[in-house]
Amino acid sequence: AQKITQTQPGMFVQEKEAVTLDCTYDTSDQSYGLFWYKQPSSGEMIFLIYQGSYDEQNATEGRYSLNFQKARKSANLVISASQLGDSAMYFCAMRYNSGGSNYKLTFGKGTLLTVNP
Amino acid sequence: DAGITQSPRYKITETGRQVTLMCHQTWSHSYMFWYRQDLGHGLRLIYYSAAADITDKGEVPDGYVVSRSKTENFPLTLESATRSQTSVYFCASSEWSTTNEKLFFGSGTQLSVL
Repeated sequence: AQKITQTQPGMFVQEKEAVTLDCTYDTSDQSYGLFWYKQPSSGEMIFLIYQGSYDEQNATEGRYSLNFQKARKSANLVISASQLGDSAMYFCAMRYNSGGSNYKLTFGKGTLLTVNP
Repeated sequence: DAGITQSPRYKITETGRQVTLMCHQTWSHSYMFWYRQDLGHGLRLIYYSAAADITDKGEVPDGYVVSRSKTENFPLTLESATRSQTSVYFCASSEWSTTNEKLFFGSGTQLSVL
């Protein structure tokens, strides 16, 4: 079964420090995509970063990078130089083929990040 | 305005009533999704649609009905609302013509079933 596991319900980090949010996934597919979304207290879902299963380089988007370890089936999000505005819920998600040419996106339960001043 | 819009933003209803949540996107994306978000469960897929007139169940479809007669609309109906369906509902869309194409989310509908 396709599954995303986020084992950290909550994380704390000091402002300006780096933080890693864990994500492991389970799939037997060879082709899949991994996403991270941020949900601030306002409730909107904000796309952060994407990693394809065939991408050899780790994805980076500004202060966000994805530490992709395919053999371990992990896709951890690294936020460098944390800011107070990074306080939010973070979701890891996986896009996979659900049969034929159909695709689904399944989410983990999320990690609530709090950045302390 | 272009984008994906959900209505209503907030809804209070009573058990047993039928409720329809609306979702409209202006990009002509092929894929549309309905998720519900509950504390401790993250986002769970209710139904999705790969194109007009093509829908399929997700992880938690019981008690919900969807239709997609037009590409841009994907309404979600709770046939007989129950308290367990109190949740925040998100509609999302994507084209997914390339593997790295992200999902675009609406602002969500907060539904309370009393």
